[in-house]
Amino acid sequence: DTEVTQTPKHLVMGMTNKKSLKCEQHMGHRAMYWYKQKAKKPPELMFVYSYEKLSINESVPSRFSPECPNSSLLNLHLHALQPEDSALYLCASSLKGLSGAGELFFGEGSRLTVL
Amino acid sequence: ELKVEQNPLFLSMQEEKNYTIYCNYSTTSDRLYWYRQDPGKSLESLFVLLSNGAVKQEGRLMASLDTKARLSTLHITAAVHDLSATYFCAVDTGNTGKLIFGQGTTLQVKP
Repeated sequence: DTEVTQTPKHLVMGMTNKKSLKCEQHMGHRAMYWYKQKAKKPPELMFVYSYEKLSINESVPSRFSPECPNSSLLNLHLHALQPEDSALYLCASSLKGLSGAGELFFGEGSRLTVL
Repeated sequence: ELKVEQNPLFLSMQEEKNYTIYCNYSTTSDRLYWYRQDPGKSLESLFVLLSNGAVKQEGRLMASLDTKARLSTLHITAAVHDLSATYFCAVDTGNTGKLIFGQGTTLQVKP
């Protein structure tokens, strides 16, 4: 199994809603990542979990709340988002933790629209 | 601060032609990645370049890395329509998984 699985693939939410994005991998990878990609722009790192601990937060607003329940799962909890948060949210994983991460494997992404 | 710059940002080419995409980065790194992205899709890993002078080829695509010049190239040989996509290079200076991406090069191959 060499896949990173993200759900849902599409999500539409209002600014007062609470929703979550989910990411799962069963490759035994020890680091997991959230990247955000706006249309026609490169991906930008949001968070890194290494060995289930939050290791990097790229000054992301608190309306985005990551969670890593175990080494295979990564969630991104969304609350009180703004329309400018509409984007493709990409989850990725790497075999090793923060030091010596190696190649990243990306999921298919969750396309979020905030109305 | 690490900066990664690609050029050109847009490339329209005829089938069977050759062309090169360039990726320059501003600080020392020996870990560079090339990804392909189709519209509305995720990132597909193409090449992982880990050392100076590394050269990798897959089909009509060949990537190389010159760490002294801080330059990577992605060469396209005899382009076909199926290669139409956006190509990103990305640099990981500390091998942390914190990738800094170039702006992307949108390749359009016309019949």
